[in-house]
Amino acid sequence: DVKVTQSSRYLVKRTGEKVFLECVQDMDHENMFWYRQDPGLGLRLIYFSYDVKMKEKGDIPEGYSVSREKKERFSLILESASTNQTSMYLCASSRRLAGGNEQFFGPGTRLTVL
Amino acid sequence: EDQVTQSPEALRLQEGESSSLNCSYTVSGLRGLFWYRQDPGKGPEFLFTLYSAGEEKEKERLKATLTKKESFLHITAPKPEDSATYLCAVWSWGSGAGSYQLTFGKGTKLSVIP
Repeated sequence: DVKVTQSSRYLVKRTGEKVFLECVQDMDHENMFWYRQDPGLGLRLIYFSYDVKMKEKGDIPEGYSVSREKKERFSLILESASTNQTSMYLCASSRRLAGGNEQFFGPGTRLTVL
Repeated sequence: EDQVTQSPEALRLQEGESSSLNCSYTVSGLRGLFWYRQDPGKGPEFLFTLYSAGEEKEKERLKATLTKKESFLHITAPKPEDSATYLCAVWSWGSGAGSYQLTFGKGTKLSVIP
């Protein structure tokens, strides 16, 4: 059974704090993604990675960075959290094969920045 | 730029009342279309992948179909446990930030009343 796990379900942080969100997948997938989901705006891609130590900016990378030191783990970093980063953060992974690109999602982290 | 529009935004059905959700898309070369189910406060759960016009996939009370411009998710005799937000996403040859990016619609929130 495919599995993507995220380090926290709920997180509350103060403005200016450095925040780490971690994601682990056990499917040996090459691709990993970080999204945020906000009411009325849908899912928006922040960053993705297609291999260890590789990363690409998505649609809204400002204020975020990522790290992928191991194939199974992809971290999202908020260098200095701000209130407008309060959101649901979703991690996903997929295979790097031409025949399919289904992304499998983790349970999400609800981040509140005060 | 790829665009995905889902309609209606919200749908309320009586238990047993069949209906369809729509996902229309404008993309530069479709590689795949995906349907997901998302329960409140959770990550999206993968349902179906469709690759070419005319293709159909079924799972229990759900049936997904694809044309060159849109996809439908047909729900037959729904039950209250089918209540969720249904998301569609497209994967295209013109996807930005690498060829594995998906473009998501904003979803249809389905409520099935007993």
